[in-house]
Amino acid sequence: AQKITQTQPGMFVQEKEAVTLDCTYDTSDQSYGLFWYKQPSSGEMIFLIYQGSYDEQNATEGRYSLNFQKARKSANLVISASQLGDSAMYFCAMRDGGAQKLVFGQGTRLTINP
Amino acid sequence: DVKVTQSSRYLVKRTGEKVFLECVQDMDHENMFWYRQDPGLGLRLIYFSYDVKMKEKGDIPEGYSVSREKKERFSLILESASTNQTSMYLCASSPSGLSYEQYFGPGTRLTVT
Repeated sequence: AQKITQTQPGMFVQEKEAVTLDCTYDTSDQSYGLFWYKQPSSGEMIFLIYQGSYDEQNATEGRYSLNFQKARKSANLVISASQLGDSAMYFCAMRDGGAQKLVFGQGTRLTINP
Repeated sequence: DVKVTQSSRYLVKRTGEKVFLECVQDMDHENMFWYRQDPGLGLRLIYFSYDVKMKEKGDIPEGYSVSREKKERFSLILESASTNQTSMYLCASSPSGLSYEQYFGPGTRLTVT
């Protein structure tokens, strides 16, 4: 069965510092996709970045990058030059090749301090 | 832009009531999903549907049912609401395919008293 683990319930970071949010996954499939979502206090889920299991390069989207280490089954989100508006819950999720559903981790609450 | 709407942002119901949560998407997506979100547990899948009139159980289907009579609409039904169903309910939709993200609605915070 798929499983996603986010081991950091909460993180506090100074503004403008880089942040790494950890995510490990477990699947027996060779084909799978990894997603990161942001959930601000308003509650909406915002898609940030996607990494496919066969993608050779780490995905990047603006200040977001995904540090994909396939052998270690980790898919950490890196936010460069953090901003106050980055304060939110962050969820890692996975879809394996045979399914349409996503499995989510427990989430990490990130707080950016001025 | 893809839009997923949910019928209510906040809902208060009494124990034993039948509750309907409605979700509508405007992008002709095949797949629709219902999650509940509780602190420390992330998002847990209740039911999903990959086509009209088709449904599959997720991880926590007990106490819930769903209906998908039209492609754009996916309803979550609490047959007899209980206090342990107090939660945030999120609806999502997506096209079929490994790399497509799910698009979420704004959520319904349901309180059962």
